[in-house]
Amino acid sequence: DTAVSQTPKYLVTQMGNDKSIKCEQNLGHDTMYWYKQDSKKFLKIMFSYNNKELIINETVPNRFSPKSPDKAHLNLHINSLELGDSAVYFCASSSLAGGITGELFFGEGSRLTVL
Amino acid sequence: AQSVTQPDIHITVSEGASLELRCNYSYGATPYLFWYVQSPGQGLQLLLKYFSGDTLVQGIKGFEAEFKRSQSSFNLRKPSVHWSDAAEYFCAVDRAGTASKLTFGTGTRLQVTL
Repeated sequence: DTAVSQTPKYLVTQMGNDKSIKCEQNLGHDTMYWYKQDSKKFLKIMFSYNNKELIINETVPNRFSPKSPDKAHLNLHINSLELGDSAVYFCASSSLAGGITGELFFGEGSRLTVL
Repeated sequence: AQSVTQPDIHITVSEGASLELRCNYSYGATPYLFWYVQSPGQGLQLLLKYFSGDTLVQGIKGFEAEFKRSQSSFNLRKPSVHWSDAAEYFCAVDRAGTASKLTFGTGTRLQVTL
């Protein structure tokens, strides 16, 4: 059973389209994240939700809208896709309620290619 | 603002040789430091972490790292590399130790020759 699963794994689309990536974790964690990894492998946090509440919202264009229907799910919707949105998007989860642990559990990533 | 520097973009070692991956951080307070590994096509996995105490920390897969405050470094080491260690390695620093906002370095790609 995959701990953090993302769908789809690959996404190829045209500029201007709208797309969504879904993430689910079965670890019982209270916090979920979206990270973006660019072509140079640089990883940057985009959003973080704790118990369905947005706690981190980095400087991300408002074309990106996360949604957390419950603690186990965090989806990412992207409107009006641009070429620069091409990247690998990673979902991750952790347990803040558990105190200082420092461990993020990552999904396998969703590779988005915008043509 | 906190930052992490991994000076080596790409390192190649022979199987069985020792390995050291460098990581330097910039942070005003006591840092919480991590090493993650990313195998091809996979997400990141935690190798080890340092919060406090003994400055030499042991991790999974035979890796260890040493925190040196005077050098602002947290280098990752392994005495004998296996071909399966070929991957991308990321150093990261966090303010609170809760993984709520990790800052990652740019990664070091390790290639292992047989």
